[in-house]
Amino acid sequence: GAVVSQHPSWVICKSGTSVKIECRSLDFQATTMFWYRQFPKQSLMLMATSNEGSKATYEQGVEKDKFLINHASLTLSTLTVTSAHPEDSSFYICSARGGGYGSGSEQFFGPGTRLTVL
Amino acid sequence: GENVEQHPSTLSVQEGDSAVIKCTYSDSASNYFPWYKQELGKGPQLIIDIRSNVGEKKDQRIAVTLNKTAKHFSLHITETQPEDSAVYFCAASMGAGNMLTFGGGTRLMVKP
Repeated sequence: GAVVSQHPSWVICKSGTSVKIECRSLDFQATTMFWYRQFPKQSLMLMATSNEGSKATYEQGVEKDKFLINHASLTLSTLTVTSAHPEDSSFYICSARGGGYGSGSEQFFGPGTRLTVL
Repeated sequence: GENVEQHPSTLSVQEGDSAVIKCTYSDSASNYFPWYKQELGKGPQLIIDIRSNVGEKKDQRIAVTLNKTAKHFSLHITETQPEDSAVYFCAASMGAGNMLTFGGGTRLMVKP
């Protein structure tokens, strides 16, 4: 149990286009989802926290108008990178937390999405 | 906010030897400390975690120790195997489901 999927697993796009990444909790309801970004050989940096049905909370330095997050249901959150540029190329990882699932509602991570902007 | 430091950044051991990775944290309010294993091109996988009311936890070849006074925790892997080769991250948070602050990661290489 406690499986989180991401789609797509990788995407290549042209500079200036927008890309949508989906994060789904497959076997539990995720009251909260987190979005992380990971550059090569670096650690995971939290971008934003989203609670179902409310606006996402962005970390300092993350542009909310560029990284649009929607958490419209208890099993789906989406991250849209708008007007992507080469510097947005990164590995984007989501995690999901369900109430009362696992050991104290721990976070379960998705497999990540590799975004390359040409 | 919380700051987590992790050492070493790379660690190379012979198969069968033990590996130890250490982390320190800054916020005494943190009470949940998970360890993740990340293989190339994949998301992090939780391998073990510890809460602040426990000093040590073991799961087969993996153990984690926590020193709340010194604000540091360590991952111990015994009898290492080549499949243990990966990047390991420690993290800290105020509660299991809350925002995680990650350490910088340790690339572990187990040589056969």
